[in-house]
Amino acid sequence: DTAVSQTPKYLVTQMGNDKSIKCEQNLGHDTMYWYKQDSKKFLKIMFSYNNKELIINETVPNRFSPKSPDKAHLNLHINSLELGDSAVYFCASSQAGVGGGTGELFFGEGSRLTVL
Amino acid sequence: AQSVTQLDSQVPVFEEAPVELRCNYSSSVSVYLFWYVQYPNQGLQLLLKYLSGSTLVKGINGFEAEFNKSQTSFHLRKPSVHISDTAEYFCAVTDYGQNFVFGPGTRLSVLP
Repeated sequence: DTAVSQTPKYLVTQMGNDKSIKCEQNLGHDTMYWYKQDSKKFLKIMFSYNNKELIINETVPNRFSPKSPDKAHLNLHINSLELGDSAVYFCASSQAGVGGGTGELFFGEGSRLTVL
Repeated sequence: AQSVTQLDSQVPVFEEAPVELRCNYSSSVSVYLFWYVQYPNQGLQLLLKYLSGSTLVKGINGFEAEFNKSQTSFHLRKPSVHISDTAEYFCAVTDYGQNFVFGPGTRLSVLP
């Protein structure tokens, strides 16, 4: 039973298209994240949601829009895809802060986006 | 704000040799420290973490790390590596809020 699952695992699309990546966690965590890993393996946070509320919104183009329908789901929609958007996108969750949990991140398997 | 430095981008080592992967951090507040491993085409998996208490932390797969507050370091060690340890290793810090900051990663290559 996968703790953090994201779909699709692979996504190949043309420039200018719109695509979405979905993420679900069954750990009961309050906080979910999207990270982008570039070709040099560098991990950069994009967004973080706590109980459906946006708490971290790094410098990311407006073409990227996260949506959290409930605390177990965090989806990423990308408009007008560009070549530079090619990367692996990781969803993660944690139970951080006062009240419990160790704060560690649990990662999904990643979604490899290739823009042609 | 926190930052993490991993000075070695690549570390080649022969099988059964010891290895140390270095991690230094900077922060104006107390932090919690983590090491993650990423095998090819997979997500990141927690190796070990330091939250409080003993500064020597033992993790999975025979890895351990030592927190040194005065040197702001959290180096990862293994006394004898295996081929299967070949992977990318990431050091990360958080102020126990919601923001985790990752280092650039160290590629460990274990040679036969």
